[in-house]
This record gives sequence, structure tokens and C-alpha cells, in this order.
Amino acid sequence: EADIYQTPRYLVIGTGKKITLECSQTMGHDKMYWYQQDPGMELHLIHYSYGVNSTEKGDLSSESTVSRIRTEHFPLTLESARPSHTSQYLCASALAAQETQYFGPGTRLLVL
Amino acid sequence: AQSVTQPDIHITVSEGASLELRCNYSYGATPYLFWYVQSPGQGLQLLLKYFSGDTLVQGIKGFEAEFKRSQSSFNLRKPSVHWSDAAEYFCAVGAVDSSYKLIFGSGTRLLVRP
Repeated sequence: EADIYQTPRYLVIGTGKKITLECSQTMGHDKMYWYQQDPGMELHLIHYSYGVNSTEKGDLSSESTVSRIRTEHFPLTLESARPSHTSQYLCASALAAQETQYFGPGTRLLVL
Repeated sequence: AQSVTQPDIHITVSEGASLELRCNYSYGATPYLFWYVQSPGQGLQLLLKYFSGDTLVQGIKGFEAEFKRSQSSFNLRKPSVHWSDAAEYFCAVGAVDSSYKLIFGSGTRLLVRP
């Protein structure tokens, strides 16, 4: 069983607010990922990291930013939330790039 | 670049009936293939994966999948569906030339009739 945590699970916030979605894993995985998933749709990779101080943008353009200061922690930040950011955000981690990705429970974000 | 197609948006089966969910991929070489399941409001749970070797892969919860290179397919099967199997199922492909980043299909929603 994978140990990967996301907080908050649900967030309702007004337009223009700054938000940070937290993701932590206790497995010592180097690889971490953020996906965006609209209801009933596929997952799209928005950010990934292959280790501390390494971050890359994914295939789907996103206004969010990420940081990787510690191996276990990979937070995602939106400087100014907009209704178009309403979605579910899923965090995942893997031991190596070609290994299984383990997913957190997700954060459902609603921007009013 | 690789891609994944799940042609069935919804599938409804009766409890106890067999199930097959289709997945087709596009990639020049042998990809890494995964099936994940997502229950409402939850993250994704790995059902099974194929990296190499035996083309018939066994997973958790009684699921299996078969990699068919000639058909570029990796279909998921279960001989007898339980009501608790109702969920969204995602096929995903990763490849060495994309740094193993996963590309997901659009998902198939499974409904189970009592």
C-alpha cells in the first residue's frame, strides 16, 4: 500500500486567491508528478520532478508552479486562482521513472 | 509520440457476468502498459502492469490483461464482475523515449447491474 497524502481534499475559494495544494509521500520516491483531471475526463500531466531541486512542466500547460525542496514534499501553487482552475488535482510518486506511479486521493478545487 | 484510446466511454454489465474493457495504444516500440481503477472521489489504484515477458498479466481483484503486440492492444478482463467493481477504469502507456511519462486514456466507466 502506497503512502502518499494530499491536503486539502476539497477546497472552495474565491477568484484571485493564492492557494497551495500539498502532496507528501513517505516512500522515499525520487519521482513525483501532478496531474489535472476534469470530471469524467482523462488525466493530464502538468508538472513532474525527478528529484530535489528538479521540476519540469508537463504536457498540459498550467498556470500553476511547483517546488521540490525535500524529497517527500511536492507542493503545487496557484498565485491567483480563477474559475478555469476548477478541477481535480492528483499527485503521484514513483521509485523510478519506469516504475509504477502511486496516486494520492486528490484535491478537488472549486474556484468561484 | 504515444497515445492511448479507450473506445468505450460507458459499459454496463450484470453482476456475475464477464467483462472486457478495451485499450489500444500507439507507439513504435514495446511500451509500458498499466490499468488503473478510480472510485468516485478517490485517487487511482493500480490494477496491473505490463513491462515485458509473459503477455498475460494477472492483477489484483481478479483482473487480468493481455498484451497483443499485433493489435496494439492491452484489454482488461474479469471473468465474473462484482457490484464493487463499478468505477472508472484508465489505461495508461509509458515509453522510454518520453522519459516514461504516462499518457492516460479517457477512461471507461463501468456500471454493474444487480
